[in-house]
Amino acid sequence: DGGITQSPKYLFRKEGQNVTLSCEQNLNHDAMYWYRQDPGQGLRLIYYSQIVNDFQKGDIAEGYSVSREKKESFPLTVTSAQKNPTAFYLCASEGLSTDTQYFGPGTRLTVL
Amino acid sequence: SQELEQSPQSLIVQEGKNLTINCTSSKTLYGLYWYKQKYGEGLIFLMMLQKGGEEKSHEKITAKLDEKKQQSSLHITASQPSHAGIYLCGADISDSWGKLQFGAGTQVVVTP
Repeated sequence: DGGITQSPKYLFRKEGQNVTLSCEQNLNHDAMYWYRQDPGQGLRLIYYSQIVNDFQKGDIAEGYSVSREKKESFPLTVTSAQKNPTAFYLCASEGLSTDTQYFGPGTRLTVL
Repeated sequence: SQELEQSPQSLIVQEGKNLTINCTSSKTLYGLYWYKQKYGEGLIFLMMLQKGGEEKSHEKITAKLDEKKQQSSLHITASQPSHAGIYLCGADISDSWGKLQFGAGTQVVVTP
């Protein structure tokens, strides 16, 4: 089945630790996106990548890093520099011929 | 500040009744997307509107984009328990492919 997978679904980390969230897609989409969702707020764009080995900062990139070494994968690292990392993180992908972005199931990160 | 304003923030509707959600932009919309989200899950694509005056329907859900392309409405006819969830609008407000702004979402509760 084609789709976007994110793992794990729930993640707990201690303050000061870096953590990497996984996002994989087998839809052959060129573009991939990372969003953060907080209660009462819409999705905010962290980073996006439109092609392998290239990515751009979104609206709230501080404290995050990404890589795009393969078309299928776009991992997000939440660093210790991110002041409020507890949130729901959503990954999405989009192809040139698709009407919209397709979303993964999300990862809920809780920093203790 | 939010560039996309959704209203209402939440609503409770009795099963069988109609409901309407609005999404208003301070900028011209190049494309408007409606998504549905169950709490703690990813977004499910509902519809996309691009042309001023455009209207699309799927089952009991109808979405419209006004002529000036700065407001969209989502209307659900004869609501059912399956319509419960969070509805989000997303919009292209720049000519940069793939970058979407999102509204804060509208929580819909359907009561018996």
